Amino acid sequence: NAGVTQTPKFQVLKTGQSMTLQCAQDMNHNSMYWYRQDPGMGLRLIYYSASEGTTDKGEVPNGYNVSRLNKREFSLRLESAAPSQTSVYFCASRETANQSGNTIYFGEGSWLTVV
Amino acid sequence: AQSVAQPEDQVNVAEGNPLTVKCTYSVSGNPYLFWYVQYPNRGLQFLLKYITGDNLVKGSYGFEAEFNKSQTSFHLKKPSALVSDSALYFCATAGSSASKIIFGSGTRLSIRP
Repeated sequence: NAGVTQTPKFQVLKTGQSMTLQCAQDMNHNSMYWYRQDPGMGLRLIYYSASEGTTDKGEVPNGYNVSRLNKREFSLRLESAAPSQTSVYFCASRETANQSGNTIYFGEGSWLTVV
Repeated sequence: AQSVAQPEDQVNVAEGNPLTVKCTYSVSGNPYLFWYVQYPNRGLQFLLKYITGDNLVKGSYGFEAEFNKSQTSFHLKKPSALVSDSALYFCATAGSSASKIIFGSGTRLSIRP
């Protein structure tokens, strides 16, 4: 069972370069999320998509853009990478955002280093 | 605004002893509370959740959590710790804002043989 799949697993970027993190889920979930994880900070929400065709900002959206390509896929783009964006990025999905008790499921993470 | 707090950065327990990882919450309305575990270089795995009903929730790998409304707490527990339980544990809440799940800062659990 694939669940939530993220690519790439590891990436090194130079400051100013752009890249896109890809995410796909095969659970027919409506809602998808991008989080970043930094030491001592827990997980912080970057953007989320409550349903296909909608996206909303989370706690730390600056420097990022997202695209909900279809129900399965939700990509995160760094237009001009900065060292402050060095982090571990997690994609997640949930059956629906309107039910607070629904469990959120995570991908395995993407380790991004900006030099 | 909804939030969760994990007051301990690290918890150290001897193998075979009971363990507790603490979490307190602040939400308006009914709280929806979750525990996740993260092993090194892996994503977060769901352990258990509280939506409504019994205050004691049982989850994966022998873990359980106790919901206490008066103390606004949702502590994770296990009667007998294993070395393999060593990992990073996150408490989370959805609260009244159904669209978002907010995570605590995490507690590193270390079980010594």
